[in-house]
Amino acid sequence: QVQLQESGPGLVKPSQTLSLTCTVSGGSISSGSYYWNWIRQPAGKGLEWIGRIYTSESTNYNPSLKSRVTISIDTSKNQFSLKLSSVTAADTAVYYCARPRGAYCSDGSCYWSDAFDLWGQGTMVTVSS
Amino acid sequence: QSVLTQPPSASGTPGQRVTISCSGSSSNIGSNTVHWYQHLPGTAPKLLIYSNNQRPSGVPDRFSGSKSGTSASLAISGLQSEDEADYYCAAWDDSLNGHWAFGGGTKLTVL
Repeated sequence: QVQLQESGPGLVKPSQTLSLTCTVSGGSISSGSYYWNWIRQPAGKGLEWIGRIYTSESTNYNPSLKSRVTISIDTSKNQFSLKLSSVTAADTAVYYCARPRGAYCSDGSCYWSDAFDLWGQGTMVTVSS
Repeated sequence: QSVLTQPPSASGTPGQRVTISCSGSSSNIGSNTVHWYQHLPGTAPKLLIYSNNQRPSGVPDRFSGSKSGTSASLAISGLQSEDEADYYCAAWDDSLNGHWAFGGGTKLTVL
């Protein structure tokens, strides 16, 4: 079964660039027509979607983070990555990668759901000098 | 400040039915399906309801979702202590080139 695993530094200095990678195991990142997502949860706050990438490298970003975010994909390594530049303490959070549910069938018809059905365990990133 | 509005807290006693609301606008809930997530501390969020009212396999039928216009609701019947968690609604927002919007989350306490 497909699993996601985030990896990267747990500590980043202010003004530097946060870099994380999500490794997909148990299946190919190129199969299934999925958008691959990054989501975070700052301490004491709610979930915040960061952005997503398709295998064609098409991307969408959270408008509030767009100027600082780059998401890329490496299908040969079965990985996708997040870069967040000019970080501040406000970027301290648990970062998750996630994949949508995909196709499902109900009452004799089939549909596509973009709900996040598969999540990595999350990785804590602290921004501090 | 979240695009989708949820009450910050909700509570109930074991066996009760509680509902959590999620209010949005025409560009998100009014145009797209709503999903609900359950989040326990120290774990990854879990998909609870997708496409307004669908339950993934393994989710008890005590959990149900509905949507009307630009609002949605999550209902939990037969409340159990293990339901104590944070609950988030989410919907795709068609504005600004499109992006996912989450509610601010509702902390459910089982008294």
